[in-house]
Amino acid sequence: TQLLEQSPQFLSIQEGENLTVYCNSSSVFSSLQWYRQEPGEGPVLLVTVVTGGEVKKLKRLTFQFGDARKDSSLHITAAQPGDTGLYLCAVVQGAQKLVFGQGTRLTINP
Amino acid sequence: GAVVSQHPSRVICKSGTSVKIECRSLDFQATTMFWYRQFPKKSLMLMATSNEGSKATYEQGVEKDKFLINHASLTLSTLTVTSAHPEDSSFYICSARWASRGSPLHFGNGTRLTVT
Repeated sequence: TQLLEQSPQFLSIQEGENLTVYCNSSSVFSSLQWYRQEPGEGPVLLVTVVTGGEVKKLKRLTFQFGDARKDSSLHITAAQPGDTGLYLCAVVQGAQKLVFGQGTRLTINP
Repeated sequence: GAVVSQHPSRVICKSGTSVKIECRSLDFQATTMFWYRQFPKKSLMLMATSNEGSKATYEQGVEKDKFLINHASLTLSTLTVTSAHPEDSSFYICSARWASRGSPLHFGNGTRLTVT
């Protein structure tokens, strides 16, 4: 059973469109992280959300943590080809292990 | 900022041989390092947690005799894939954390292993 369910797993849209990807779980977390990974590289941390209902913005990216701290969403406004990549949500499990969702592979077409 | 370096970035080896991958924390001391495996178009799967000076803790289903982990110093952990088979071909990524439990993880750029 996957701890974190991400949807959609694949998304291909045109430049300029908006999109939202989701990260869901039945468990409650003290915090949740979003990463972006490009081919042949390690993941890069985008944001950490901690408080239920919290909203964080990173330029055109808006991250929200669910009120119950079981889910999160990432919204991208006016997507650009440079946003293409694998988006991963992750949580710390136990004392220190970082566990990832399946990822959303996003392709922005020019 | 904190940097984690992995070497080599790519390696091709023949079936039956062993391959060592190094993970170094360049400007901080990493008491804990993590090794992940990533198949094409898939997410990162945690293989093991490596603590300096002690034995690694392996995730369920990961063969500890096949994937040997050594964390001999605060700046270096190594993963050795022993008696490699084509199904071991994958992208291996390490990450490291500074001493504090709440400190963020820093990821290496991964090693693409191809076993022929």
